[in-house]
Amino acid sequence: DAKTTQPPSMDCAEGRAANLPCNHSTISGNEYVYWYRQIHSQGPQYIIHGLKNNETNEMASLIITEDRKSSTLILPHATLRDTAVYYCIVRVSSNTGKLIFGQGTTLQVKP
Amino acid sequence: GAVVSQHPSRVICKSGTSVKIECRSLDFQATTMFWYRQFPKQSLMLMATSNEGSKATYEQGVEKDKFLINHASLTLSTLTVTSAHPEDSSFYICSARSGTGVTGELFFGEGSRLTVL
Repeated sequence: DAKTTQPPSMDCAEGRAANLPCNHSTISGNEYVYWYRQIHSQGPQYIIHGLKNNETNEMASLIITEDRKSSTLILPHATLRDTAVYYCIVRVSSNTGKLIFGQGTTLQVKP
Repeated sequence: GAVVSQHPSRVICKSGTSVKIECRSLDFQATTMFWYRQFPKQSLMLMATSNEGSKATYEQGVEKDKFLINHASLTLSTLTVTSAHPEDSSFYICSARSGTGVTGELFFGEGSRLTVL
């Protein structure tokens, strides 16, 4: 599976949009981009995933560049409860389904 | 969304004893479940892939005789830490895949915190 690179930490003001970047320059054509987050001492929570097109759900939006070498997770109106570690993961289509976690980005939402 | 439950959420045991952690998919059948461990301020590390009705597949460096995994039904997988020692103290998390194909989402349990005295 392709490796991802994320900034170790970011701050965001409450109520503002949080934009979390992820580089996956070695991504293959059959690999999806997944985002999960982990609030302290809890199991990871699924956020969103995509292949080529931008995706949006009730939690976030995922913007994937045209060359698919990077993506951005957008939390449109961050709240204090969005403070967590956010993981960007790519996964091959022929994989058993396992996710390999990198170090992620610690997002601190401040009042 | 789909629910994955772990039990116990916290366990404290003496060195040398064995501890069993259960992982259940509550509202879907999971042919495959995954076990992770997480040390403080570190990321999740995949330990093994648990397949219903067959032997688990362990990641490199994980001792299969130390971490026994049983996946006897489509909704239950268990992880037994045998002869636990203080260095086994960690946060153990399971996950299960809902649906098939590459886009089947992985749902995670709440985690089980093991402390070995």
